[in-house]
Order: sequence, then structure tokens, then C-alpha cells
Amino acid sequence: DAGVTQSPTHLIKTRGQQVTLRCSPKSGHDTVSWYQQALGQGPQFIFQYYEEEERQRGNFPDRFSGHQFPNYSSELNVNALLLGDSALYLCASSLVGGGGYEQYFGPGTRLTVT
Amino acid sequence: AQKVTQAQTEISVVEKEDVTLDCVYETRDTTYYLFWYKQPPSGELVFLIRRNSFDEQNEISGRYSWNFQKSTSSFNFTITASQVVDSAVYFCALGGPGGYQKVTFGIGTKLQVIP
Repeated sequence: DAGVTQSPTHLIKTRGQQVTLRCSPKSGHDTVSWYQQALGQGPQFIFQYYEEEERQRGNFPDRFSGHQFPNYSSELNVNALLLGDSALYLCASSLVGGGGYEQYFGPGTRLTVT
Repeated sequence: AQKVTQAQTEISVVEKEDVTLDCVYETRDTTYYLFWYKQPPSGELVFLIRRNSFDEQNEISGRYSWNFQKSTSSFNFTITASQVVDSAVYFCALGGPGGYQKVTFGIGTKLQVIP
């Protein structure tokens, strides 16, 4: 049973560039959430996708956008990168209809903005 | 607004000692969910437990136990007979009702178990 996978593992970008991170949910899950975890902090909720629509959004600017595909996989896009965007980006999947509400996390993508 | 406070940023214990990680939460929802996650040095968050706001029974799973007290808005986590493998950052988190869930995490408590 494949867990949540994310790609790439590490990424280095320059200020002003754009980046796309990818996530495949755990088998059987239909919902994907994205989190940003700065060094020494807890994960901060960015947004959540279900049925290819953004359902919930945290306090992040419009530079952060996402997409969910029919196979439930998801992308996180960040435009006009800032130094402060350097963080571990975590993807979590869950099952809306399952009632369990457990979110299973992937290993994350470490983004460094120089 | 939801808020999770983990007042202990770092704890060090000697192996085999018991340790309790504190978590205090704030929410206006009457239905909510509380979680604990473990983040080892590898970085991947590992789900430990979920409790809903209507179930205040304490839970024990092996060396782990959780104490949920709605009256004090606390959801504390105790590790009995700690082991070196327990060294990690532990996060308490709070989720709202419904399947579309915005989860709010605390800042985390870094636990170091010294052999």
C-alpha cells in the first residue's frame, strides 16, 4: 500500500522564480492538503483540495496556488519566490468520506530560495 | 480562531524515565478533533492519535498514553519508560469539524532521550 509521495525531495531556486511541487496521495485517499513548515516551527496550513477544487485555505498570499488532478494527485505552485518561502513543504492526504480525518503525511520537499 | 500551545519547546530525559508533553488548545467549535504527530529527524510526520471532542476517555497504546481534559482544554501525551528511539519533535494539532479540515499545529516539543 503506497503511502504519500512527494517530488522532488530537495529544490534550490532563486528569488523571483517560480516552483512546482508534486504530491501523490495514499492509495484510496481523495483529499490533499499542503503545509509549509519553516525551520523550528510547526506546519502551517496552506490549502486543501478535494474533487479538484480548493476547499479550505490558510493565511497565504495568492502567490501560492494549487491544483488537483482527476487521479487525486496535486501540485503546489509558488510564484515570485521570496527568501521567506524557504521551508519544508508537506503534503498530506486523507479521505473525506471516511470519517477518520487522519491525515497521512509525505516526506516533504525541502525548498531553498537563494 | 484556532490555536494550539505547546509550552515546552525542548525536553531532555534519561532513558527509561517517564515524560509528559503538554498541549493546550483554543477553539470556538463544539465539534473538533485533536491529534498528536511525531516528526523524527527524517522529517516525515507520523500520525499517533486522533480524538474527537465528544470522547474524553483516556487512551493507552503501549508505552504511549493520552489525557484529554475538556474542562482545561488540554490534551497531554505521556511516554512511559522512554527510549532513545522516542527522540523526535512531537506536534499537537487541532482540526475543525467536517471532512474539509484545516488543521492547526502547535510549535512542537523537541524530546531528547539520553541513553
